[in-house]
Amino acid sequence: EDQVTQSPEALRLQEGESSSLNCSYTVSGLRGLFWYRQDPGKGPEFLFTLYSAGEEKEKERLKATLTKKESFLHITAPKPEDSATYLCAVHPGNRDDKIIFGKGTRLHILP
Amino acid sequence: DVKVTQSSRYLVKRTGEKVFLECVQDMDHENMFWYRQDPGLGLRLIYFSYDVKMKEKGDIPEGYSVSREKKERFSLILESASTNQTSMYLCASSFSGPQETQYFGPGTRLLVL
Repeated sequence: EDQVTQSPEALRLQEGESSSLNCSYTVSGLRGLFWYRQDPGKGPEFLFTLYSAGEEKEKERLKATLTKKESFLHITAPKPEDSATYLCAVHPGNRDDKIIFGKGTRLHILP
Repeated sequence: DVKVTQSSRYLVKRTGEKVFLECVQDMDHENMFWYRQDPGLGLRLIYFSYDVKMKEKGDIPEGYSVSREKKERFSLILESASTNQTSMYLCASSFSGPQETQYFGPGTRLLVL
């Protein structure tokens, strides 16, 4: 069964304390892996799409990487405004255009 | 910039009422999706559409129907609202093919009393 698991469920960091969020997946074929940021009460905001193992993408303090089994979202020197829930989603090769979401990691950056 | 809009941010309805949630996208995307999001359960796909007048069931279609009469507009219908349909409803759209990133609207928080 296709599955996406994110860890940890929640993470509290001090401002400036770098860390990584994990997204592991079990799918029959990968067409794409997506990272989103979601603020409370709002819709998910697109961050990155990764298509193949070894690919990396960066945006400000965020960097996403992809292997054959998992993806990491690295946060470097985070600020309080980076506090949000980060969602990972995977597009398996056998589900038409439907994607599978993980349950997210709630990130809280303390000033 | 991709823009997906939803007709209401907050909605309060009574049990048994018929509820319409509207979603509009301005990027000429072929695909449109309706999800619901609940604490601890994450995002679950209700229905999606890959073309005008086409629809496919997602993982939890029971109690819902959809309509797509125009490419830019996708409606979610709760025929007879129930309290267990209280949730955050999210609409998304995407291109078909290689550029499959889904873009989301702001969400509608529905409370059924």
